[in-house]
Amino acid sequence: SYELTQPPSVSVSPGQTASITCSGDKLGDLYASWYQQKPGQSPVLVMYKDTKRPSGIPERFSGSNSGNTATLTISGTQAMDEADYYCQAWDSSTGVFGTGTKVSVL
Amino acid sequence: QVTLKESGPALVKPTQTLTLTCTFSGFSLSTSGMRVNWIRQPPGKALEWLARIDWDDDKFYSTSLKTRLTISKDTSKNQVVLTMTNMDPVDTATYYCARVSDSPYVDAFDVWGQGTMVSVST
Repeated sequence: SYELTQPPSVSVSPGQTASITCSGDKLGDLYASWYQQKPGQSPVLVMYKDTKRPSGIPERFSGSNSGNTATLTISGTQAMDEADYYCQAWDSSTGVFGTGTKVSVL
Repeated sequence: QVTLKESGPALVKPTQTLTLTCTFSGFSLSTSGMRVNWIRQPPGKALEWLARIDWDDDKFYSTSLKTRLTISKDTSKNQVVLTMTNMDPVDTATYYCARVSDSPYVDAFDVWGQGTMVSVST
């Protein structure tokens, strides 16, 4: 079955840039979405179709997807961005989530 | 406003069958492009996609769990039901339902329920 792999953790200083990668076989041929989940809350969509931000998501969030890797980038990271982030893709109508990355803003 | 809410037992015994209901509002599952999914998350672990049912009654299941899962819909009640057989303690998790639609956020889970915690224990 298809797998998506993310680094377990990413640390970033306030105001700096955080990059979260998501790796999967020929992931660039699929669309990647990204979800932010804060403790005790349901996930929230922050990126879809690789590079598109839903309404209400700050411009500091951006995305890319090429080859085997999709990336979510948070520019000018704020304390409120500290959360778990999950990538997701569809493989033949079967949903797949990444392993998740904890972003710590230190 | 689109909302989804999960309901079901908080505790089930090993080997029992779990039945969860997702009750939604703000959209119709008979509308082309609408899909409702079930996703779970064990405590402290990652999200895991379980199943999906589409507006045209197409159904899709996790490869690893497909023998245990059944998804169905009642369009008149705005409900989607998931059953999982032969429950085991490793199935202890928060279970979410979430919507996918063709617009505006194509192929993404744009609205999630609050989740319901299910524990499997004797």
